[in-house]
Amino acid sequence: QAGLTQPPSVSKDLRQTATLTCTGNSNNVGNQGAAWLQQHQGHPPKLLSYRNNNRPSGISERFSASRSGNTASLTITGLLPEDEADYYCSAWDNNLSAWVFGGGTKLTVL
Amino acid sequence: QVQLVESGGGVVQPGRSLRLSCAASGFTFRSYGMLWVRQAPGKGLEWVALISNDENNKYYSDSVKGRFTISRDNSKNTLYLQMNSLRAEDTAVYYCSYAVFDSWGQGTLVTVSS
Repeated sequence: QAGLTQPPSVSKDLRQTATLTCTGNSNNVGNQGAAWLQQHQGHPPKLLSYRNNNRPSGISERFSASRSGNTASLTITGLLPEDEADYYCSAWDNNLSAWVFGGGTKLTVL
Repeated sequence: QVQLVESGGGVVQPGRSLRLSCAASGFTFRSYGMLWVRQAPGKGLEWVALISNDENNKYYSDSVKGRFTISRDNSKNTLYLQMNSLRAEDTAVYYCSYAVFDSWGQGTLVTVSS
């Protein structure tokens, strides 16, 4: 199953804003939007946002998601050291009847 | 609070079988779809299988279709993954999750090696 496309790495300075992208097609991201997950080394993933910008309780407002066409984005404002992690997007693909994941973006906070 | 606890992982030879379990608590298990996601060492996340809340609908990734079977017991709040004909490339940490990845367990490591 074809996956979603994420840049492998992004580096930003402390307190700056990072925007991570996730590109799919009209059957997945373009249809139902994407979920965003954060994973710190050695830990399970944590849901940050689903269906574009629905944040679970307890997730900071510094994390916001959006979608334009077949590309979803996660914007993290006021970067903190603890934001350094791997970020994955995922979407349900109506054509494949499958969840598809992006390869993940490693965010480095300088 | 929500708790998902995976178990059943271990070292198994290629071609053999293994059954994973995921014990759920802290939410109404029978109301939610459940899924398995795996992560090979040093790699990204890969969706494995999804089961609807009533077990009527099951979906699998192409990489496991025909070899793995997802099931659930709503009376026991437990999710299962029966893995047959295991291959080296199935080596991964297997996580269970519910709804739209709302919560995750700590995972259980499956190593397929001779």
